[in-house]
Amino acid sequence: AQRVTQPEKLLSVFKGAPVELKCNYSYSGSPELFWYVQYSRQRLQLLLRHISRESIKGFTADLNKGETSFHLKKPFAQEEDSAMYYCALSAGNTPLVFGKGTRLSVIA
Amino acid sequence: EAGVTQFPSHSVIEKGQTVTLRCDPISGHDNLYWYRRVMGKEIKFLLHFVKESKQDESGMPNNRFLAERTGGTYSTLKVQPAELEDSGVYFCASSQDGYSGTQYFGPGTRLLVL
Repeated sequence: AQRVTQPEKLLSVFKGAPVELKCNYSYSGSPELFWYVQYSRQRLQLLLRHISRESIKGFTADLNKGETSFHLKKPFAQEEDSAMYYCALSAGNTPLVFGKGTRLSVIA
Repeated sequence: EAGVTQFPSHSVIEKGQTVTLRCDPISGHDNLYWYRRVMGKEIKFLLHFVKESKQDESGMPNNRFLAERTGGTYSTLKVQPAELEDSGVYFCASSQDGYSGTQYFGPGTRLLVL
């Protein structure tokens, strides 16, 4: 069965500092990986997906099949980045499997 | 464009009672999903509709949960009878494509069973 692990429940960084939210997965095939974000009082929304290979709001994530990771990175954190971040995996035509989430707090 | 809507936003019921949650997907989205987040745990898939058909209900916890999507538009999720462990936030999402497509989530219904 597929599994997504986000080892940090809470991550606090100072404004302007780099941020990395960790995500590891277990799946032997070629997964589709996503990062979803939930800002305060807003709904869960897609931030980015690995097949798009794009940067959204300054965030990037690279799929590392060797390390089975899909860490989310941003070089300079902003206060508005404070939110709950969920890593999710789909193994082809199967439902999304979510990690438990990491709460990012950016301190001014 | 209106997003996915869910009703009610909150529900507090006693153990043994019945609760029905409603989800209105984005117009034109054939795919509709239900998820649940129990406190302290991850968001878990419950089931997936394609139009009015149940495509995958592998995540439904037990037969106290019944989901319907008559006419392929809105969906309801009924819990009968509710148990304490059913407390959590129930999310609905919809998409044009299947699992690998972008899913648009509703605000969730927070259910508390006392």
